[in-house]
Amino acid sequence: AQSVTQLDSHVSVSEGTPVLLRCNYSSSYSPSLFWYVQHPNKGLQLLLKYTSAATLVKGINGFEAEFKKSETSFHLTKPSAHMSDAAEYFCVLSEGYDRGSTLGRLYFGRGTQLTVWP
Amino acid sequence: GAVVSQHPSRVICKSGTSVKIECRSLDFQATTMFWYRQFPKQSLMLMATSNEGSKATYEQGVEKDKFLINHASLTLSTLTVTSAHPEDSSFYICSATTSYEQYFGPGTRLTVT
Repeated sequence: AQSVTQLDSHVSVSEGTPVLLRCNYSSSYSPSLFWYVQHPNKGLQLLLKYTSAATLVKGINGFEAEFKKSETSFHLTKPSAHMSDAAEYFCVLSEGYDRGSTLGRLYFGRGTQLTVWP
Repeated sequence: GAVVSQHPSRVICKSGTSVKIECRSLDFQATTMFWYRQFPKQSLMLMATSNEGSKATYEQGVEKDKFLINHASLTLSTLTVTSAHPEDSSFYICSATTSYEQYFGPGTRLTVT
């Protein structure tokens, strides 16, 4: 069975400090994994995706994530938080048609709300 | 990038009435659109898959007679919540696909009083 667990429903950091959003997954197959960000009243935006080409994936806005098969984890990090990073973040798993495609069925974590203090 | 819109962004309706939510792909044609539902503090749950010109495929546990989906064109899908009740209050999100990616709409907040 496929599932995604985001370990923290809410994370608060100060501007300029590192961000860590945790995600664990369960999959019967080699997964495609994604992180999406959702700002208020906006659609979900793809931050980055893991497609097995490299375990350390770099995304937009300075975010990156590392796929660790032994830990079944795909944590999202950023060295230095910015006020504009405050949003809801979703870890997503796909059993999609092609590696890295989001055309297949998507399994969402419940989201982590990131708050950034000035 | 590809843009998906939803209308309305918020709607309040009385119990027993029906509400229609539109999902549009603004700058691309989408053969497939998905409808998700998101409860507070919970993840997005897939409700149905909608293919242009054919009947929607509903996930287990989703009442097709209650959540009517119409995908009449390559740029528009509609979700109608019929005879809405307070338990239908939720955040509804659609997505539209290109050949490789899903693009998500901003969501519609439905409140049934």
